[in-house]
Amino acid sequence: ETGVTQTPRHLVMGMTNKKSLKCEQHLGHNAMYWYKQSAKKPLELMFVYNFKEQTENNSVPSRFSPECPNSSHLFLHLHTLQPEDSALYLCASSQGTGNYNEQFFGPGTRLTVL
Amino acid sequence: GQNIDQPTEMTATEGAIVQINCTYQTSGFNGLFWYQQHAGEAPTFLSYNVLDGLEEKGRFSSFLSRSKGYSYLLLKELQMKDSASYLCAVLDSNYQLIWGAGTKLIIKP
Repeated sequence: ETGVTQTPRHLVMGMTNKKSLKCEQHLGHNAMYWYKQSAKKPLELMFVYNFKEQTENNSVPSRFSPECPNSSHLFLHLHTLQPEDSALYLCASSQGTGNYNEQFFGPGTRLTVL
Repeated sequence: GQNIDQPTEMTATEGAIVQINCTYQTSGFNGLFWYQQHAGEAPTFLSYNVLDGLEEKGRFSSFLSRSKGYSYLLLKELQMKDSASYLCAVLDSNYQLIWGAGTKLIIKP
C-alpha cells in the first residue's frame, strides 16, 4: 500500500462511451499526476496538478479531461477514446513539485478500448 | 531531445548479483530515481542519487556518474521476489521526470 488508491482497477469501454478514472491520496500531498504506461514504453506524463491548479498538460488530446476538486482527489474523464489509448493509467502524488520530490504511485487502471 | 536508455530485459539466478545500467541525455540534471514495479502493481521508490558515487540500501545499491550520464542499480543476493521491472528516471532542469522504458528482470531458481 502506497497511500494512493485508484478505481476502477480494470476498465473496458467502447469508443463512444464516457467513463471516469478516480485517484485518491491519503498522504497529505499537494501535487498529483496522471501518467500513461504502454508496454515497453517510458511512462508518459499527461497532467500535473499542484495545490489543485493544473501546471502541466503535455499535449494530451482533448478526449482526456482531468479534474482536481481538492488536493486529495484527481479524476480523468474519458470520452470518444481510440483503441491506441488502451494502456495502464497511473496516478501519483508528491509533497510538491520541483527539486527532490519522491512520487508515490497508485496501482493503476488497466484500460482497454474496443 | 531527452533520452533515457536501459536494457529491455535481463535474466539472473537466485542468490546472484545483477547490475542494471541506465544512461541518460537530458536538458539539465536534478537527480536520478530508481523505481521497482511488479507486474500489475504500482511503481515503488527504491533510490535517489543527485551526487556522484554509490548509495547503499540493504541488498540494493545505486551508483551515479554525472559526467558520464550514467547510473546503475546493483541487486545482491537475488531473491525470486526481485523479479520485476526496474525504472530509471531523471529529474531535468524543469524538474520534470524523464522516464526510461524499464528493465524487466527475470530471476531463475
